[in-house]
Amino acid sequence: GENVEQHPSTLSVQEGDSAVIKCTYSDSASNYFPWYKQELGKRPQLIIDIRSNVGEKKDQRIAVTLNKTAKHFSLHITETQPEDSAVYFCAARRGAGSYQLTFGKGTKLSVIP
Amino acid sequence: DSGVTQTPKHLITATGQRVTLRCSPRSGDLSVYWYQQSLDQGLQFLIQYYNGEERAKGNILERFSAQQFPDLHSELNLSSLELGDSALYFCASSVARGADSYNEQFFGPGTRLTVL
Repeated sequence: GENVEQHPSTLSVQEGDSAVIKCTYSDSASNYFPWYKQELGKRPQLIIDIRSNVGEKKDQRIAVTLNKTAKHFSLHITETQPEDSAVYFCAARRGAGSYQLTFGKGTKLSVIP
Repeated sequence: DSGVTQTPKHLITATGQRVTLRCSPRSGDLSVYWYQQSLDQGLQFLIQYYNGEERAKGNILERFSAQQFPDLHSELNLSSLELGDSALYFCASSVARGADSYNEQFFGPGTRLTVL
């Protein structure tokens, strides 16, 4: 089955700096890679996703890059703000079939004012 | 609000007991997924139902079972509860139709289960 590794497990940055979270996946058949943000005690919420036919996607201060050959994808947050503090999860999903997501173990991001 | 509802919000029970968690997917979503999130842990996939049928199984214990009803709501049954079953249980739903469908998973607010 799919295995997703996520690094780092914790990340502290100064407000205004950039943050990068990296994930690798094992199943070359995976074709959809979402990122979820989870605030303490809340539900995971999708913040951005990328499909395997695209190398990069941006949405304001958030961007995701995908390297299919190396089987890794990354989340980039620029100009970080205190409200970006949360746990971020990457995930990978195979194509048609179960649509099951395999999640990484999460990165706790702390943005220091 | 994702449109996915879960009840109850909190559940406190004793070891050995049985509980049922309920999830209603977003309107139009055919697939329901159940996840377990223990303290400081990631999201562990338990099971998926699609239009009433089991589609995929993850690390679900034999003491746990689920079903999806004709109106597409789903229930997760946890029996012979142990202290280690204390966790947040999330359900998510998606359209899950077609290989190239967007198929974003929308998460419910979760049920926090405490086993004493």
